[in-house]
Amino acid sequence: EIVLTQSPGTLSLSPGERVTLSCRASQTISSIYLAWYQQKPDQAPRLLISGASSRATGIPDRFSGSGSGTDFTLTISRLEPEDFAVYYCQQYIPSLPGYTFGQGTKLEIK
Amino acid sequence: QVQPQESGPGLVETSGTLSLTCAVSGGSFSNDYWSWIRQPPGKGLEWIGQLHPSGGTYYSPSLKSRVTISVDSSKNQLSLTLRSVTAADTAVYYCARHRGYAQDYWGQGTLVTVSS
Repeated sequence: EIVLTQSPGTLSLSPGERVTLSCRASQTISSIYLAWYQQKPDQAPRLLISGASSRATGIPDRFSGSGSGTDFTLTISRLEPEDFAVYYCQQYIPSLPGYTFGQGTKLEIK
Repeated sequence: QVQPQESGPGLVETSGTLSLTCAVSGGSFSNDYWSWIRQPPGKGLEWIGQLHPSGGTYYSPSLKSRVTISVDSSKNQLSLTLRSVTAADTAVYYCARHRGYAQDYWGQGTLVTVSS
């Protein structure tokens, strides 16, 4: 079973700062299978990034994804107040076939 | 605009069966893959299973023995059935459309509480 581990668990930052969130897979995965979501309280998750680096429709360009192999990152270049939320990475596992999620990183206002 | 909408009982008795429906408006229902995903209160996301209206249903190994996902293409609806529920099945249940290897349109979710 390929496990996704996100770090850190919680980040306290201020608007305007740059942040990089990490998602590490226990085995190599194809980049096309890696996605990132944002979830705000009492809302459904919103797709930000698919294929490790492709922004979803309507996602601002301050969000960017990168990585390959076992290490993937989501970067927010300049935090806006509305960006404080929980972020999840997700992988597709062809051998299942199915999906698993990381445990999430909470981004909170400092 | 694709709009999934989950519905079903908010309370299910322990050891009973959880049954939810996801009605979809907009988009091309029969051409897309669909997933059910759940989230226990205060916890992370768990994929339950996926289906394509033309065939092919896959389930999480941890839930496979208790879950069935089905479709009514004439109504643009998919359904989730989870048997022998316990308190651990208390969660917000989402249906979501696939785009490639991700889910781009999600319903607002429906909270199901399992209690005796």
